Amino acid sequence: QKEVEQNSGPLSVPEGAIASLNCTYSDRGSQSFFWYRQYSGKSPELIMSIYSNGDKEDGRFTAQLNKASQYVSLLIRDSQPSDSATYLCAVLSSGGYNKLIFGAGTRLAVHP
Amino acid sequence: GAGVSQSPRYKVAKRGQDVALRCDPISGHVSLFWYQQALGQGPEFLTYFQNEAQLDKSGLPSDRFFAERPEGSVSTLKIQRTQQEDSAVYLCASSLSGRADGEQFFGPGTRLTVL
Repeated sequence: QKEVEQNSGPLSVPEGAIASLNCTYSDRGSQSFFWYRQYSGKSPELIMSIYSNGDKEDGRFTAQLNKASQYVSLLIRDSQPSDSATYLCAVLSSGGYNKLIFGAGTRLAVHP
Repeated sequence: GAGVSQSPRYKVAKRGQDVALRCDPISGHVSLFWYQQALGQGPEFLTYFQNEAQLDKSGLPSDRFFAERPEGSVSTLKIQRTQQEDSAVYLCASSLSGRADGEQFFGPGTRLTVL
């Protein structure tokens, strides 16, 4: 079992819809969670961080965290074609010095 | 130039050659990380520096991989006697503090191809 699991996709949504991206993790001691966006051929770009159970909103993005279920999600409202990218879930390992453990990413395709 | 920079952006090496990859973190950032990203996968941790101290090198795949950050700013990742399986994108990231919840910001990466 991988430490951070994501559905590889592609997740296809129409423009204007809500895209829902999910992630589960195995390290119960983890306290910090991040979502990165990666366009093809580019490096990961940090879009959200979340540390407490519940929801955190930033513009069109909402991150949700449930530590008891070891589950993190990212909602993108009013999806745009420019949101088409791979979304990487990252979990800060409890066992090392600030080591991020990444999932393999979910590819999102927003079609007009 | 406020972001993390890396050079070269692309490197082609013949099997057996040594390579050196450079990372310039965001100015003032205490923490520096190296990750390796294979095609279609998420980045995998290689090593971590807090200032000049290498606190974690548990992700380095073999003793052919060596990293340094002698003055606590620029870092170099060196790969000796490159093998085909070393072909990947090597990403550098930096974080402002040494706190465990620090957000990490990535550079553009170096794409290494070993022939």
